[in-house]
Amino acid sequence: GAVVSQHPSRVICKSGTSVKIECRSLDFQATTMFWYRQFPKQSLMLMATSNEGSKATYEQGVEKDKFLINHASLTLSTLTVTSAHPEDSSFYICSASVSGGAGETQYFGPGTRLLVL
Amino acid sequence: KQEVTQIPAALSVPEGENLVLNCSFTDSAIYNLQWFRQDPGKGLTSLLLIQSSQREQTSGRLNASLDKSSGRSTLYIAASQPGDSATYLCAMGSGYALNFGKGTSLLVT
Repeated sequence: GAVVSQHPSRVICKSGTSVKIECRSLDFQATTMFWYRQFPKQSLMLMATSNEGSKATYEQGVEKDKFLINHASLTLSTLTVTSAHPEDSSFYICSASVSGGAGETQYFGPGTRLLVL
Repeated sequence: KQEVTQIPAALSVPEGENLVLNCSFTDSAIYNLQWFRQDPGKGLTSLLLIQSSQREQTSGRLNASLDKSSGRSTLYIAASQPGDSATYLCAMGSGYALNFGKGTSLLVT
């Protein structure tokens, strides 16, 4: 149980294009989903927190107009990297929790590797 | 903000050796602590989750401890195997999201 999927697992795109990454909770409903980013040899850094049906909360330094997050249902959140640039190349991982309460268990997806040429 | 530090950054051990990975954190007001394994280019595999009220958790050859007063956690791996080679991440649940360390890259030869 508690499986989270991400699609695509890997994407290569040209600079200036937009890329959409999907995060799905397959066997449970997730009120809250989190988006993390991991650069090579670095730790995972939280980008934003999304709650179903409301606007995402972005961490300091993360451009909300560049990283569009939509959490339209209890099983799906999407992250769209708009006008991607080479510096956006990274490993993006989502996680999901049932109610998003403090200290609640998060279930992680397998990640999406983005390469912007 | 919670700062999470993992030492060492990299570790190489011969097969069969017991080893300890260290994680320290600055804010003792945590809900839980979690150890993950990450293989190259892959996502996270949860290994052990310790709630703030617990002092340790065990799973097979793995044992994780938590000492909130000193701001430390250790992951003990017994009888290491080449298949244990991976990056090990600790993460603090001190709010709604997790704060991760940079990880310890383990190579078992």
